[in-house]
Amino acid sequence: DQQVKQNSPSLSVQEGRISILNCDYTNSMFDYFLWYKKYPAEGPTFLISISSIKDKNEDGRFTVFLNKSAKHLSLHIVPSQPGDSAVYFCAAARLQIQGAQKLVFGQGTRLTINP
Amino acid sequence: EPEVTQTPSHQVTQMGQEVILRCVPISNHLYFYWYRQILGQKVEFLVSFYNNEISEKSEIFDDQFSVERPDGSNFTLKIRSTKLEDSAMYFCASKQRGTLGSQPQHFGDGTRLSIL
Repeated sequence: DQQVKQNSPSLSVQEGRISILNCDYTNSMFDYFLWYKKYPAEGPTFLISISSIKDKNEDGRFTVFLNKSAKHLSLHIVPSQPGDSAVYFCAAARLQIQGAQKLVFGQGTRLTINP
Repeated sequence: EPEVTQTPSHQVTQMGQEVILRCVPISNHLYFYWYRQILGQKVEFLVSFYNNEISEKSEIFDDQFSVERPDGSNFTLKIRSTKLEDSAMYFCASKQRGTLGSQPQHFGDGTRLSIL
């Protein structure tokens, strides 16, 4: 099942610079996208989301961009901090009438912020 | 901040035995989920649960699996006769009701299930 793909297994960024994590999807029925952050031995922690009626959503240092025509989304973190070092998962869903929605995850990208 | 709690954090079970994984979702949430992550693989959806019934289940969620919300706070996943390939990290998640369902799911820290 390759409906959601994160092609970079790892990314290394200097502290203070911008981190850009990418995600592609194939199912055009997806209309809600989320980014989660995961530390070892913990569950995924919700970071930010975007619905398909928008192309950008910002929350503090985190911005998600959605390009529906390219079926591509990205997460920008600026400035990057050492505590941002974690695995980042992109997830997608089809919003359903009852709102139950299952999430389809990418493989994750391990982000390392270097001092 | 309210969180989803899962117990135990690690469960070791002999193949063929029954196992129950427990979750306490966030108290005002209405939708409940189980996901699993086999080592080195993606997080995969197993089942969603709303209004005391299964909303959707994946192909993985066969007759060996069941879910229950026995009281107002717990949400359990039972595997009736475990197989070696059931070894994975199992995550519980819950979600509020939202406009068109656009509320994020919040995850627990998982139960690592090891089948011997």
